[in-house]
Amino acid sequence: QQQVKQSPQSLIVQKGGISIINCAYENTAFDYFPWYQQFPGKGPALLIAIRPDVSEKKEGRFTISFNKSAKQFSLHIMDSQPGDSATYFCAASPGNTGKLIFGQGTTLQVKP
Amino acid sequence: KAGVTQTPRYLIKTRGQQVTLSCSPISGHRSVSWYQQTPGQGLQFLFEYFSETQRNKGNFPGRFSGRQFSNSRSEMNVSTLELGDSALYLCASSLLTRKETQYFGPGTRLLVL
Repeated sequence: QQQVKQSPQSLIVQKGGISIINCAYENTAFDYFPWYQQFPGKGPALLIAIRPDVSEKKEGRFTISFNKSAKQFSLHIMDSQPGDSATYFCAASPGNTGKLIFGQGTTLQVKP
Repeated sequence: KAGVTQTPRYLIKTRGQQVTLSCSPISGHRSVSWYQQTPGQGLQFLFEYFSETQRNKGNFPGRFSGRQFSNSRSEMNVSTLELGDSALYLCASSLLTRKETQYFGPGTRLLVL
């Protein structure tokens, strides 16, 4: 019940295309769903986050879509750029705690 | 505002030794969490501290321990190192009222030989 499943494991997209990464969870106690971006040699950086009371949140080229009934959420990267090439992690948190349960990560490569 | 800092950045140890890693949170952040990152297991939660007290613990053996000081700085210790402890250890900090919104440091890369 503590798992967060992420797919795909890797993704190759052409510059200007849309990158889509999906996550699913089981624990209905999760109420905070962030996405992190990690470059080699760096720690994960918070990209965007959503709570289950909204179905979509957009920040620039990044959008989270959230489906509470299906217990799924996804990250869309519009107009993908080579600089977006990184590993992306979805995560979930059960309430106001410092405990994040992470998905396995998706390595995104954006080809010029 | 300075980010989360972790020291040292790299460590090489041998099996059976112990190691202490340090984390300084963002100024004003009172909650600190630790994670282990490996290629096989991904990012796994170790423990969370705030107000010098451990509030949550992940599924790691007792060889992994931590503490937090009154200035919110935190240390984690791994005793009797095993080869499988080789990993990137990440520290994250957050505000006391928004503990789930965490900001990560660059990590300490530990290699156990």
